[in-house]
Amino acid sequence: SQQGEEDPQALSIQEGENATMNCSYKTSINNLQWYRQNSGRGLVHLILIRSNEREKHSGRLRVTLDTSKKSSSLLITASRAADTASYFCATDGWSNDMRFGAGTRLTVKP
Amino acid sequence: EPEVTQTPSHQVTQMGQEVILRCVPISNHLYFYWYRQILGQKVEFLVSFYNNEISEKSEIFDDQFSVERPDGSNFTLKIRSTKLEDSAMYFCASRAREGTGRAEAFFGQGTRLTVV
Repeated sequence: SQQGEEDPQALSIQEGENATMNCSYKTSINNLQWYRQNSGRGLVHLILIRSNEREKHSGRLRVTLDTSKKSSSLLITASRAADTASYFCATDGWSNDMRFGAGTRLTVKP
Repeated sequence: EPEVTQTPSHQVTQMGQEVILRCVPISNHLYFYWYRQILGQKVEFLVSFYNNEISEKSEIFDDQFSVERPDGSNFTLKIRSTKLEDSAMYFCASRAREGTGRAEAFFGQGTRLTVV
């Protein structure tokens, strides 16, 4: 299956710590994206990384992509309580089908 | 800032009834999607749409489902005969073209469908 699978399923950390979430997938991709979802709300785009890129930064977010291992990671540095949410990776195939993994539920304790 | 809007925010329907979920994508976007999320579970791809036709559809998107872009602005998902298991949050998303590829997706706030 093309869709990504995140791990861990749940992650609980203290404010100020870093949070790392991983995504693995099985087939060739055009790009990979990370999204955030607060409980019951819509998904918010965080970062898109293309298949020819290896690393991307946006503020406290750092995303890596290893196409040889078919994996990506999302690092949130200096986490805050407001970062508490579910985080999803979405793999974008060469046809128009963007598919999501099961997500990582991040809890940041104040 | 442009946004994807979905209506209604919540719909309750009797089993077997038809429902139409409506979405207004961002105006210059070219790629459109429907997803569903059963409470607390994964975000499931239903269908994608480009150039006035379906690009891809999942195994969930059977003959009970259809999509339309009737007037160049709205993008609708119709469920012909709803079942209890169709109860979920339905999300619409749209994307612009970026170079030869697709840019990030923007999601609506969802329609919560409850089938009773």
